[in-house]
Amino acid sequence: QLQLQESGPGLVKPSETLSLTCAVSGAPLRSEIHYWAWVRQPPGKGLEWIGALNYRGNTYYAPSLRRRATVFTDTSKMEFSLTLTSVTAADTAMYYCARGRFLSDYFDSWGQGVLATVSS
Amino acid sequence: QPVLTQPPSVSAAPGQRVTISCSGSTSNIGAKYVSWYQQVPGTAPKLLIYDTTERPSGIPDRFSGSKSGTSATLVITGLQTGDEADYYCGTWDNSLNIGVFGGGTKLTVL
Repeated sequence: QLQLQESGPGLVKPSETLSLTCAVSGAPLRSEIHYWAWVRQPPGKGLEWIGALNYRGNTYYAPSLRRRATVFTDTSKMEFSLTLTSVTAADTAMYYCARGRFLSDYFDSWGQGVLATVSS
Repeated sequence: QPVLTQPPSVSAAPGQRVTISCSGSTSNIGAKYVSWYQQVPGTAPKLLIYDTTERPSGIPDRFSGSKSGTSATLVITGLQTGDEADYYCGTWDNSLNIGVFGGGTKLTVL
């Protein structure tokens, strides 16, 4: 049974870097049919793709976040991470990690989410 | 603005049928599979429909999905109060080379 668990600081100051980690258990990170993604949801708003990576290290980013977001993995630790630089209040959101399925492009597993608040 | 367009809200009485639309373009819905997610406030999204029409194990057949051209539809029959939630469509966009979601639809069971 795949389980995903996000972790990271709940509060980040404006202009600083947000760093989040997703611990993966119950399935291999090195999968040819899956990718690992971050999705966020600002308070009261809808879901937004941030970025994803596959087992070959290929990455995909939302155009609006491409310059600030980095998704990377540490297979030895069974986790993947997100860094988002130069954050503003607009980056305040619930951040979810999720596993996506290639070609079908659906998320079959989600973490419970971690709230990141940008405030001084 | 979300790439996929959904109505902000729909409502119906218990036992009734409701449809939620998701409109896109030839670079996303027109070319790719569609998925649907149910999100009860305060919880993570849950996969309802994948590959446009398929239901994961445990999802009742009251939920069904379809697609025509560049639009997709989620149908819920035999509405229950427990179906009250936000519903999101999702797919891949070949032009953006990234996944995309609809803006979400709030379902109210009157």
